[in-house]
Amino acid sequence: SYELKQPPSVSVSPGQTARITCSGDALARQRNFWYQQRPGQAPTVVIYQDTERPSGVPERFSGSTSGTTVTLTISGVQAEDEADYYCQTVNSGNTYYVFGPGTKVTVL
Amino acid sequence: EVQLVESGGGLVQPGGSLRLSCAASGLPFTSFSMHWVRQPPGKGLEWVSRINSDSTTTNYGDSVRGRFAISRDNAKNMVYLQMNSLRAEDTGVYYCAGIRYYDTQAFDYWGQGTLVTVSS
Repeated sequence: SYELKQPPSVSVSPGQTARITCSGDALARQRNFWYQQRPGQAPTVVIYQDTERPSGVPERFSGSTSGTTVTLTISGVQAEDEADYYCQTVNSGNTYYVFGPGTKVTVL
Repeated sequence: EVQLVESGGGLVQPGGSLRLSCAASGLPFTSFSMHWVRQPPGKGLEWVSRINSDSTTTNYGDSVRGRFAISRDNAKNMVYLQMNSLRAEDTGVYYCAGIRYYDTQAFDYWGQGTLVTVSS
C-alpha cells in the first residue's frame, strides 16, 4: 500500500522544535522526500532520500527514518517556516509517486 | 536559471478536453524525467504522470490512467498533458516538475502552475 499518513497540523512557538511524522508501509523500502509549500507558491524540496538536505536549505531542517515512519524536524523554528509540508515516496522502479496529505505548520 | 512555465489551463465543461504545455529552459532537458503534479483548491498534492527522457516510458496515477496522456518534445524542450473526459474532481492547479537522473531523485524543479477548472 502506498497510502501515507501525516498529522493535519502542528503548532510550535518560535525557537522551539517542530516534528512532523509521515507513516506508511512503503516508506521502509523506498526513498522518501519532504517538501515545503508556502501559500501561493510551488513546493520546494527540503529533504531528499530520507536524511539529505539540499544546498540552500537551512541546517535547522533535518530528516530521519525508523521503520515505516519518516520524520521531518525543524529545530529552532522561525516565522518563515510557517507553511504546508508534504512527505513523498516513490517505488523502486520510479513508476509510481505518492504524496502524503500534508501538515500545516503554524508558528505561534 | 532554470524555468518551467506551464500554460493551457482554463475553464472546461465536464467531459471536455484540455491540453497543458510546459516550456523548460536553463536545464539539460534530456537529463530529466518530467512530471505533472496537481493540487485541488485548498487540498494537497497529487502526482499525475511521468515521462522518461526519451518518451519510451509513461506512467500515470490511478485517478487519471486511461484519460490523460503525457508527451514531450525534446527538440523544443516541451512537455504536454492531454486531458480527456474531464471531471469536476480534476479541478486544480497543475504543476510541471522535473527530476534529474542520478541526482537527488527529488522533484527539484517546479513551475508556478496553471489552473484547470472543470465546471458547467
